[in-house]
Amino acid sequence: DIVMTQSPDSLAVSLGERATINCKSSQSVLYRSNNKNYLAWYQQKPGQPPKLLIYWASTRESGVPDRFSGSGSGTDFTLTISSLQAEDVAVYYCQEYYSTIFSFGPGTKVDIK
Amino acid sequence: EVQLVESGGGLIQPGGSLRLSCVASGFTFSGYWMHWVRQVPGKGLVWVSRINSDESITTYADSVKGRFTISRDNAKNTLYLQMNSLRAEDTAVYYCTRAYMTDDAFDIWGQGTMVTVSS
Repeated sequence: DIVMTQSPDSLAVSLGERATINCKSSQSVLYRSNNKNYLAWYQQKPGQPPKLLIYWASTRESGVPDRFSGSGSGTDFTLTISSLQAEDVAVYYCQEYYSTIFSFGPGTKVDIK
Repeated sequence: EVQLVESGGGLIQPGGSLRLSCVASGFTFSGYWMHWVRQVPGKGLVWVSRINSDESITTYADSVKGRFTISRDNAKNTLYLQMNSLRAEDTAVYYCTRAYMTDDAFDIWGQGTMVTVSS
């Protein structure tokens, strides 16, 4: 099974500053035949279901602000919030959809400093 | 509006059974893979099960294999999760979610239904 890890567990960033979350998979989620990374990022605010932010590691879901960006390939990925807003306070999860287990990372909590 | 609405959660004793439902609206339900994902309050997300559009493919997490059954009724735009032999560790919020292809991210989620297994 693919195991997803995230770092840090939590971070506090000042409004307008950059927040960076890392995600690592225990094996590559890059499918070489189509050169796609089967990696998604979700945002979950308190009391709400998860919301898809990024898929294929770097493609922003429709309606997601462009301050959110995803990068990386193979086993190492990053979600960046370029200028943190108050409404971005949430837990962020990465997920692989390369395997049929659809493993999620443990989550990273983002707060305002 | 594209929407998924779960129901059927509640308090159930260990060893009991429960059936969750998820009603879809605003999209062509029969064209999507559907999944169940659960979350212990305050903890992370765990994938539970998936089903393809014509029910010919179902997959389960090892933790629920043999106890849970996923199914769907495309005529009723409804996804189900039959949960038998429930254990305390099955206590969680259960979300239904969709994916367009077998290998796609989950783009729409329901609000979830809480299942509590306790005596």
